[in-house]
Amino acid sequence: QKEVEQNSGPLSVPEGAIASLNCTYSDRVSQSFFWYRQYSGKSPELIMSIYSNGDKEDGRFTAQLNKASQYVSLLIRDSQPSDSATYLCAGPNSGNTGKLIFGQGTTLQVKP
Amino acid sequence: DGGITQSPKYLFRKEGQNVTLSCEQNLNHDAMYWYRQDPGQGLRLIYYSQIVNDFQKGDIAEGYSVSREKKESFPLTVTSAQKNPTAFYLCASSMTDYSNQPQHFGDGTRLSIL
Repeated sequence: QKEVEQNSGPLSVPEGAIASLNCTYSDRVSQSFFWYRQYSGKSPELIMSIYSNGDKEDGRFTAQLNKASQYVSLLIRDSQPSDSATYLCAGPNSGNTGKLIFGQGTTLQVKP
Repeated sequence: DGGITQSPKYLFRKEGQNVTLSCEQNLNHDAMYWYRQDPGQGLRLIYYSQIVNDFQKGDIAEGYSVSREKKESFPLTVTSAQKNPTAFYLCASSMTDYSNQPQHFGDGTRLSIL
């Protein structure tokens, strides 16, 4: 059974700081990972996709994938109170079925 | 605007009643999924469909049923056999059934027992 694990938090950072969210996965073959943001009471929203080793930047967000260490991270620079949410990491579940396996999510609190 | 529409937003079920949650997408996506999310929990896969007229059970299919008669539509029925249906139900779709495709979510339906 493949697994994607995240620290549930909460992770608390001051406004303007860098928030670092981490995710580990059990399958060495997995090629692609996704980060979703979920505000309280709302549905998950895709914020980053990463398909290869290294870093991918999009605005204040940087996703990092390290296949050798089976580790995915999301960095949020200049954190804002509006970034306060739960962040879900997701990776492929099995074969080419399109199924994803989601981590439990890390709750981020950005304090003004 | 393309997207995934779930209805209703809130739904109440009486004991012994079946209820159906609607999910419609106009993204021309092939694959569709139903998840259940309990408070403080991650997403658990109920059913998924890779193509019209075909669907497979996910991790927690007992007490649920689905159909996929049209590409755009993937309704979920919560049957009376599901003894603990109170949860947030999320429908998602992806362009294809390849594992490198992200899933996009509707706004969800909150189901409660009366």
